[in-house]
Amino acid sequence: QVQLVESGGGLVKPGGSLRLSCAASGFTFSDYYMSWIRQAPGKGLEWVSYISSSSSYTNYADSVKGRFTISRDNAKNSLYLQMNSLRAEDTAVYYCARDRYSSGWSNQLPYWGQGTLVTVSS
Amino acid sequence: QSVLTQPPSVSAAPGQKVTISCSGSSSNIGNNYVSWYQQLPGTAPKLLIYDSNKRPSGIPDRFSGSKSGTSATLGITGLQTGDEADYYCGTWDSSLSAMVFGGGTKLTVL
Repeated sequence: QVQLVESGGGLVKPGGSLRLSCAASGFTFSDYYMSWIRQAPGKGLEWVSYISSSSSYTNYADSVKGRFTISRDNAKNSLYLQMNSLRAEDTAVYYCARDRYSSGWSNQLPYWGQGTLVTVSS
Repeated sequence: QSVLTQPPSVSAAPGQKVTISCSGSSSNIGNNYVSWYQQLPGTAPKLLIYDSNKRPSGIPDRFSGSKSGTSATLGITGLQTGDEADYYCGTWDSSLSAMVFGGGTKLTVL
């Protein structure tokens, strides 16, 4: 079965950096677009970024553009999110998610990880 | 402020039906498929509806989705206490070049 397991969250000071990882299993990772979505404490869902199956295309929310970088290693079945210049408002649970279709980006996400908490505070 | 507008909360009695609306614009709902997610307390979101009105395998037919113009609706019939959760609509916004979600609706089954 499809499994997504995030790691790398933790407490970081404002201006600091953190790298999140998402280990995928149970499907052909290299066939699917992948996304990061976050949820601030007590708030709603916010899409952060997606990456195409071959890493050719990436896209970011305006709120993280220029600070966050999404990447993947298909040989390791892993997705990453490099987060730099972190701000208090980046505090959230970060989920990785797989797209529904292997043919491209549908922005419909049937598989999510359990999430990893990032706290930005001095 | 979310790009997609949902009511903050809805409630109904067990066994009854409830609908949750999601209002957008021509740059998002009007020209793209809508998906709906259920988030039970302390868990990751779960896809309930995709392509505006299709259910993934394993989702009971008590859940339905529809879309008309720039609005979408999630319907839940035969409400159960286990349906108490936050519900989110989502779609692509062509003007923003971003995936957007509604602010979420908290369903209470009285």
